[in-house]
Amino acid sequence: QQPVQSPQAVILREGEDAVINCSSSKALYSVHWYRQKHGEAPVFLMILLKGGEQKGHEKISASFNEKKQQSSLYLTASQLSYSGTYFCGTDFQGAQKLVFGQGTRLTINP
Amino acid sequence: GAGVSQSPSNKVTEKGKDVELRCDPISGHTALYWYRQRLGQGLEFLIYFQGNSAPDKSGLPSDRFSAERTGESVSTLTIQRTQQEDSAVYLCASSLGGLRPGANVLTFGAGSRLTVL
Repeated sequence: QQPVQSPQAVILREGEDAVINCSSSKALYSVHWYRQKHGEAPVFLMILLKGGEQKGHEKISASFNEKKQQSSLYLTASQLSYSGTYFCGTDFQGAQKLVFGQGTRLTINP
Repeated sequence: GAGVSQSPSNKVTEKGKDVELRCDPISGHTALYWYRQRLGQGLEFLIYFQGNSAPDKSGLPSDRFSAERTGESVSTLTIQRTQQEDSAVYLCASSLGGLRPGANVLTFGAGSRLTVL
C-alpha cells in the first residue's frame, strides 16, 4: 500500500522547475505532501482531497488525479530554501492511517 | 503544549537492553502516530492511536515493540531486547483525529534518535 514516488532524487540550479510524482495502486482518499530538511522533522505543506483539485503554497503547487490515483508536486522557480526531502502520504476512505512514499531528495544549487 | 515533544532526543543503548521513548502530543489532538526513519530512508509507519485505542498496529516490526497511550495524551513506545537493526530515529506525530477531511494532517515531533551498540 506504500505509494511510489519518482524521481528518487533531483538536482537543480536555483530558478529551475521540478515535478515530483506520487502514485498508488489503491484508490486514494487524500494525498498529503511534507518536506523534511536535513536533521529536522517533516513539515506539512499541503493536502489534496479526491476530486482533482489543485493547491498552492508559495511557488509550490500540487494536483491530484483521482482516476490515475496519482498526485504531482510542482516546484517553480526553485529557491535554495526548497532543498530537502519531499514525502507524499496517502490514506484511504474510512482510515486515518497515513502511509508515506520513500521520499524524493531535492537539491538546489546556486 | 504548543508542539509535539519527544524524549529522550538521543539514546544510546547496548544490544539486549530495553528502551522507552516518550511522546507528548499537541493538546487537543486525539490521534497520535509513531513512525520509524532509518538513516537516509523514508517514514515507516509503526502504529497509531485514536484516543487511547490503537486501531492499527500493523506496522510494529516484531513482538519486541509495543506502545501505549494514556489519558488521551502521552504515549510510550517500548522496545524490548534491542537489536542493532532497531537503530533509527523514532518520530511521533499528532493530529486532530477523526474522519473529517484533513483531520489526519500531522504535526511531527523532533524525534528520538536511538543507537543500539
